[in-house]
Amino acid sequence: NAGVTQTPKFQVLKTGQSMTLQCAQDMNHNSMYWYRQDPGMGLRLIYYSASEGTTDKGEVPNGYNVSRLNKREFSLRLESAAPSQTSVYFCASSEWGQGALNEQFFGPGTRLTVL
Amino acid sequence: EDKVVQSPLSLVVHEGDTVTLNCSYEVTNFRSLLWYKQEKKAPTFLFMLTSSGIEKKSGRLSSILDKKELFSILNITATQTGDSAVYLCAVGNAGGTSYGKLTFGQGTILTVHP
Repeated sequence: NAGVTQTPKFQVLKTGQSMTLQCAQDMNHNSMYWYRQDPGMGLRLIYYSASEGTTDKGEVPNGYNVSRLNKREFSLRLESAAPSQTSVYFCASSEWGQGALNEQFFGPGTRLTVL
Repeated sequence: EDKVVQSPLSLVVHEGDTVTLNCSYEVTNFRSLLWYKQEKKAPTFLFMLTSSGIEKKSGRLSSILDKKELFSILNITATQTGDSAVYLCAVGNAGGTSYGKLTFGQGTILTVHP
């Protein structure tokens, strides 16, 4: 099993350009998450999808959109990139429901630079 | 709003030392507290502590949860250079629309010198 995979690994954009970060998981998890990680600030939740067909805003959603394409895939879109969106982006997945205890499994990350 | 604060933010030790990392939290509906280790890439899971499991141990690493005082500690004994990493603490919320979400602290950067 590959676990959680993300593409691309690295990306450089110019201000105003758009792009989509892709994430897929093969663990049959219901829930998926997008985080950004900046120096000294831990992981901050951008958007999450509790189950297929639902998405919700996290702590820092401005400037981003998401799509839960199916149970496996959850994409993050930057419509008009800004230098403040320079960061490392992580996708994660987990079980959901009374039997789940929040453990999340992370992808390898995408390092995005916006010039 | 849920909040997690870790201390210290960074720590430098020598091989063989014992370290204690701290995590304090505020959460509306506590479900779990998790510790992750992050080296170059993705965070990897270490421990999960809940109301029914407030102490965990794995080799040289151990963790306890104090639900009354709202904190957790992660202990690493006989540190090795391979323990150098960022250690992240996160709390899981059990309430309403926050169910299943994790709130992370800033992380503690541990550097172990030979």
